[in-house]
Amino acid sequence: QKEVEQNSGPLSVPEGAIASLNCTYSDRGSQSFFWYRQYSGKSPELIMFIYSNGDKEDGRFTAQLNKASQYVSLLIRDSQPSDSATYLCAVKDSGGSNYKLTFGKGTLLTVNP
Amino acid sequence: DVKVTQSSRYLVKRTGEKVFLECVQDMDHENMFWYRQDPGLGLRLIYFSYDVKMKEKGDIPEGYSVSREKKERFSLILESASTNQTSMYLCASSLLRRSYGYTFGSGTRLTVV
Repeated sequence: QKEVEQNSGPLSVPEGAIASLNCTYSDRGSQSFFWYRQYSGKSPELIMFIYSNGDKEDGRFTAQLNKASQYVSLLIRDSQPSDSATYLCAVKDSGGSNYKLTFGKGTLLTVNP
Repeated sequence: DVKVTQSSRYLVKRTGEKVFLECVQDMDHENMFWYRQDPGLGLRLIYFSYDVKMKEKGDIPEGYSVSREKKERFSLILESASTNQTSMYLCASSLLRRSYGYTFGSGTRLTVV
């Protein structure tokens, strides 16, 4: 069974701080990694994806990938109360079902004004 | 924008009823998925389909079946609803073998009484 592990949180940061969300995965052959944000009572929405080792920046969000360590993270700079949500890490399976994503259980982030 | 539409936002059904959850996407995506989401358990894959009339079991297929007669529509069927199937059900779609994530529907909160 392929696994994706996230720190369960909850994670609480003050407004304006950097929030750091972490994820490890077991499928060494995985090539595609995604971060979803899910507000309470809503469905997940894709906010970032990363395929290559290193950093990828999009506005206040930075995704970091280290395939050797099987580790992916999401940094949120200048955190805002509107960033309060559950963040889901997802990893695309390698092998035959390479269009299937395995999700972590999510990290609940609270940004305090 | 890709749109994934789930027919009902809230449903209440009785134990033993046959329940149909419908999902329609409008972007010609090959892949479609059904997940359920429960507190503490995260997103769990029930079934997925990569083509019309094709289906594969996910991690928790017991008690469920699916139908995909047209590319844009993927139905989840609870053959005989039970109280342990009370959950949030999420439909998603994606392109085939492309390194894109999923687009989720807004979800159906099903309560079985």
